[in-house]
Amino acid sequence: GEDVEQSLFLSVREGDSSVINCTYTDSSSTYLYWYKQEPGAGLQLLTYIFSNMDMKQDQRLTVLLNKKDKHLSLRIADTQTGDSAIYFCAESLNYKLSFGAGTTVTVRA
Amino acid sequence: SQTIHQWPATLVQPVGSPLSLECTVEGTSNPNLYWYRQAAGRGLQLLFYSVGIGQISSEVPQNLSASRPQDRQFILSSKKLLLSDSGFYLCAWMMIAGGFTDTQYFGPGTRLTVL
Repeated sequence: GEDVEQSLFLSVREGDSSVINCTYTDSSSTYLYWYKQEPGAGLQLLTYIFSNMDMKQDQRLTVLLNKKDKHLSLRIADTQTGDSAIYFCAESLNYKLSFGAGTTVTVRA
Repeated sequence: SQTIHQWPATLVQPVGSPLSLECTVEGTSNPNLYWYRQAAGRGLQLLFYSVGIGQISSEVPQNLSASRPQDRQFILSSKKLLLSDSGFYLCAWMMIAGGFTDTQYFGPGTRLTVL
């Protein structure tokens, strides 16, 4: 089984905020990542956060990290139809990434 | 800038046939290279990774093998494909020298269907 867990589906109305949650298990992880996968494509790096940070903001994206609870979240403000995709969180350890199963985000009009 | 290529983009192969998928990286030297498989509706499973020419680490026992004949070339192979080998295969690279984030960058993927 996977060490990184995510909810599988999220439906959000266009213009609302999306929040995708993730829990990980290895407290030694140095970096935590969010990747986006559009249909039939590879993974696109969205953002990452260093494990000694608790928040990172990058335009419409906000990453929150609760290291004590090993909980990571990605907030997308003003969600657009182009944000429909699968979002993966991942933790890094020893130059390897461990991925969650991915959250499929569907944006409805 | 760095780019990563995979080919073919799509492949349909019969059970028992051989397989060769290729991944090449441009614009960087001595990267770590990775092969992942993504089964339908599932997350990514790390298959192999390589820290240098001829150095391959296997993460899971399976019907596949990997080779790194050149610094920026990573090949995924099989002698006889199984139905269970179907999936979306992704190659990724990571900069080690001078890098600090363990960030991996992914190729466009190869969709393999075994019939």
